[in-house]
Amino acid sequence: QQQVKQSPQSLIVQKGGISIINCAYENTAFDYFPWYQQFPGKGPALLIAIRPDVSEKKEGRFTISFNKSAKQFSLHIMDSQPGDSATYFCAASKGNRDDKIIFGKGTRLHILP
Amino acid sequence: KAGVTQTPRYLIKTRGQQVTLSCSPISGHRSVSWYQQTPGQGLQFLFEYFSETQRNKGNFPGRFSGRQFSNSRSEMNVSTLELGDSALYLCASSLQGVQETQYFGPGTRLLVL
Repeated sequence: QQQVKQSPQSLIVQKGGISIINCAYENTAFDYFPWYQQFPGKGPALLIAIRPDVSEKKEGRFTISFNKSAKQFSLHIMDSQPGDSATYFCAASKGNRDDKIIFGKGTRLHILP
Repeated sequence: KAGVTQTPRYLIKTRGQQVTLSCSPISGHRSVSWYQQTPGQGLQFLFEYFSETQRNKGNFPGRFSGRQFSNSRSEMNVSTLELGDSALYLCASSLQGVQETQYFGPGTRLLVL
């Protein structure tokens, strides 16, 4: 019940295309869903986060779509660029600030130039 | 503002030894979390410290421990190292906890022989 399942494991998208990464969770108590981006040799960096009171959040070319009833959320990268090539992690946490955070296993995204 | 720093960056140990990793958070951040990253398991939460107190712990054996000092710097210790402990160990800091933007360090890569 604490798992966050992320798919696909790897993704290849043409430059200018839309990259879509999906995550699913079981625990309905989760109330914070961030996405992190990690480049080789670097630590992850927060990209965008959403809470269940909204169904979509957009920041530039990055959009999180959230489906509470299906217990799924996804990251859409519009107009994908070679610089977006990285590993993306979804995550979920619940409760107060003193709770742990569960990460998906990551998606390795490669944007073809 | 300086980012999160971790020392050492690379470490080679043998089975049975112990190791201590250090993390200096961003100035003003009181929450420090530790994560283990491996190709097979992805990012896994180890524990979180806030104001020198461990608030939450992931599903790791007691060989993994940590502490936080009054200046918010944190150390992580792994005793009786096993081959499976080879991983990238990341720490992240935030103002209050895991449900807000966490800033990750570059990690310490530990190899256990």
